[in-house]
Amino acid sequence: GNSVTQMEGPVTLSEEAFLTINCTYTATGYPSLFWYVQYPGEGLQLLLKATKADDKGSNKGFEATYRKETTSFHLEKGSVQVSDSAVYFCALTLDTGRRALTFGSGTRLQVQP
Amino acid sequence: KAGVTQTPRYLIKTRGQQVTLSCSPISGHRSVSWYQQTPGQGLQFLFEYFSETQRNKGNFPGRFSGRQFSNSRSEMNVSTLELGDSALYLCASSLAANTDTQYFGPGTRLTVL
Repeated sequence: GNSVTQMEGPVTLSEEAFLTINCTYTATGYPSLFWYVQYPGEGLQLLLKATKADDKGSNKGFEATYRKETTSFHLEKGSVQVSDSAVYFCALTLDTGRRALTFGSGTRLQVQP
Repeated sequence: KAGVTQTPRYLIKTRGQQVTLSCSPISGHRSVSWYQQTPGQGLQFLFEYFSETQRNKGNFPGRFSGRQFSNSRSEMNVSTLELGDSALYLCASSLAANTDTQYFGPGTRLTVL
């Protein structure tokens, strides 16, 4: 079956530090890959996505590159802010037009001033 | 443009009761999906509706059901509630049948006592 594995959290960083959250996947077929962010008490917000190998998704300073050879979609940001503190979810859908998202377990990021 | 709205935001029920949750998608969006989020199981796909038809269903018992109306609004129903049904229920909408980007609502927090 399909699955997404994320690094365990929480990840605690100081403001302006570099962020990497690892995500690897297992899928039959050619998935689209996503990063969603969940702020306390809220639903999920789409952060970025990539739909084919070597695509780079980017938004608000966050980036992730779809690596088919390593089945990975690691999230990076060069300089985190306190406002980036949230839970980050890596997810996939298959390219069959079925939009059932398979999520990773989430990684909590805490950024300290 | 207004986002996905879910009502109610919070709900408390007792075991054995049934509950109905409502979701209004973004204007113009015709696909609605539902997800359950719990600390133990994480985010899990429940079902997806498009043009009033269920297109996909996750691995949940028959106590979980849903429907979609002609205006794309959707409801999900859980009958004979169990303690384990306590969760955040998230609704997501997407524009059409062949788009993979989903936009999430804030969720309904269901507590079963």
